[in-house]
Amino acid sequence: QSVLTQPPSVSAAPGQKVTISCSGSSSNIGDNFVSWYQQLPGTAPKLLIYDNAKGPSGIPDRFSGSKSGTSATLGITGLQTGDEADYYCGTWDNSLSAWVFGGGTKLTVL
Amino acid sequence: QVQLVESGGGVVQPGRSLRLSCAASGFTFTHYAMHWVRQAPGKGLEWVAVISYDGNTKYYADSVKGQFTISRDNSKTTLFLQMDSLRPEDTAVYYCARASLGAKVAYFDYWGQGTLVTVSS
Repeated sequence: QSVLTQPPSVSAAPGQKVTISCSGSSSNIGDNFVSWYQQLPGTAPKLLIYDNAKGPSGIPDRFSGSKSGTSATLGITGLQTGDEADYYCGTWDNSLSAWVFGGGTKLTVL
Repeated sequence: QVQLVESGGGVVQPGRSLRLSCAASGFTFTHYAMHWVRQAPGKGLEWVAVISYDGNTKYYADSVKGQFTISRDNSKTTLFLQMDSLRPEDTAVYYCARASLGAKVAYFDYWGQGTLVTVSS
């Protein structure tokens, strides 16, 4: 079981919007910043969002992040078939002294 | 450009050891903490270990504590993962990742392509 909880899968039609949740606790999300990663099939993960809501250069602003309390959310607007991937949230856990990932969410663009 | 290139993976029998390397280039290696992250076939990402920029501080996942050792050679800009007493459940693609410091917590801004470790008799 992952320390951070994500839905196993989400789906939406091209052009639509989807959100992916990431739930944690006071020792991780509640006290630290969250980052999000996209993993396209057969490739290494790629940074999408850091510090809860900042996008690295080169990441389209269709991708957004937010945090409230012990939960974080990744939003993707204007869905494209190329967005089909696994998405992971992550942060540091103060109690475990360890980095923790969510279990991952598979996005299907119908 | 930042490059992280892992090597050292392969097929190994249970109980044996393996050492992974991650050659870093394109950035000042001594300025960054480095991590290992693994992914078992068909599974999610699992964090393995982190080492500080100077090698003095290390943290491990409970699942590998006492079994794996992370280290670095700053003169050769290379990160290592020594894996001992390997078990079938250690079978995974192992990624090295650079950690950039954010507002409070680091995040992984660059990843290697991964190296596959298969533990099987």
